[in-house]
Amino acid sequence: QKEVEQNSGPLSVPEGAIASLNCTYSDRGSQSFFWYRQYSGKSPELIMSIYSNGDKEDGRFTAQLNKASQYVSLLIRDSQPSDSATYLCAVYSGGYQKVTFGTGTKLQVIP
Amino acid sequence: DVKVTQSSRYLVKRTGEKVFLECVQDMDHENMFWYRQDPGLGLRLIYFSYDVKMKEKGDIPEGYSVSREKKERFSLILESASTNQTSMYLCASSLRGRLNYGYTFGSGTRLTVV
Repeated sequence: QKEVEQNSGPLSVPEGAIASLNCTYSDRGSQSFFWYRQYSGKSPELIMSIYSNGDKEDGRFTAQLNKASQYVSLLIRDSQPSDSATYLCAVYSGGYQKVTFGTGTKLQVIP
Repeated sequence: DVKVTQSSRYLVKRTGEKVFLECVQDMDHENMFWYRQDPGLGLRLIYFSYDVKMKEKGDIPEGYSVSREKKERFSLILESASTNQTSMYLCASSLRGRLNYGYTFGSGTRLTVV
């Protein structure tokens, strides 16, 4: 059973701080890694994808991948109250084009 | 702007009814998926399709069926609705490729079975 694990939170950070969200996965052959943001009552929205070891930056967001440790993280710099949401980690391990989702980490940014 | 459109935002059905949830995408994506999302359980895959008329069972297919007669449309059918199928249903689509490029989700259908 392929698993993706996240701490459910809530993770509370003050406005302007860096929020660090973490995810581990069990399938060493995983190839593609994603972060989705889901506001309460809304559907998930893809915000970052990463395919190789290292960091990938997009605006205030940085995704980090370490395949040896089977670990992927999302850093949000200068956190804003509008970043308050649940963040889902998702992993693709090949074969049919479906991914495995974690259960999400709820982030609260305190003004 | 690319879109995945789900026909209903909220739906209330009676136990035993046959329920149809429709999903249409305009991105020419090969892959389409149906998930349900419940508090504490996350996203669970019901069925998916990687081509017209093709379907594959996901993790929780019992009580559901699907239809994909056209590339852009993927329907989820609850054969005989039950209260334990009360949930948020999410449709998603993705482009086929060697590397997965991520999903685009519809806005979801919140189904209540009474």
